[in-house]
Amino acid sequence: SQQGEEDPQALSIQEGENATMNCSYKTSINNLQWYRQNSGRGLVHLILIRSNEREKHSGRLRVTLDTSKKSSSLLITASRAADTASYFCATLNTNAGKSTFGDGTTLTVKP
Amino acid sequence: DVKVTQSSRYLVKRTGEKVFLECVQDMDHENMFWYRQDPGLGLRLIYFSYDVKMKEKGDIPEGYSVSREKKERFSLILESASTNQTSMYLCASSLGGDRAPEAFFGQGTRLTVV
Repeated sequence: SQQGEEDPQALSIQEGENATMNCSYKTSINNLQWYRQNSGRGLVHLILIRSNEREKHSGRLRVTLDTSKKSSSLLITASRAADTASYFCATLNTNAGKSTFGDGTTLTVKP
Repeated sequence: DVKVTQSSRYLVKRTGEKVFLECVQDMDHENMFWYRQDPGLGLRLIYFSYDVKMKEKGDIPEGYSVSREKKERFSLILESASTNQTSMYLCASSLGGDRAPEAFFGQGTRLTVV
């Protein structure tokens, strides 16, 4: 299986609800990043959490990192229809120096 | 703002053609990357480059080559296009090392090989 696997693959919620996506990885990392991709477009960086951090906030986004479990979660609070997109986690490998992306979670927020 | 520009949004090429995908970034980033994105497979790294004239194979380099003659430009070359190379291709750039490792992406090139 791939480094940086997101779970669930698809998530559908109502506007105003919170959305939680998870990511697992296998190797040692320098940091973990979350990206968003709107349909047919490039990826946009959302937030980065370093390996020595456990939690980070940015606006309605909250990211946690558990290096002992090699997992991270992205929480989007008070979701909006405009949050509908695919969300990817990417890990920067300590040794390789390159990021590896997972398959992504497709989030649909219904108005 | 960082800008990563890919030369084409859509391309249609014939099997066996040599295809060039161009990517230019305007923020003096050391690192540049080429990914392909396919449904159910996520983003897969094809090649990346740490510096001018430096290149490293990613996870799926077969059938591709790259060129980085100038720091701002990273070209992906399909030597002889095949139908299984039909995909969305994404270019990205980032600063080197761990200074600001988040990548900035271009808008993507959707390549169809017929």
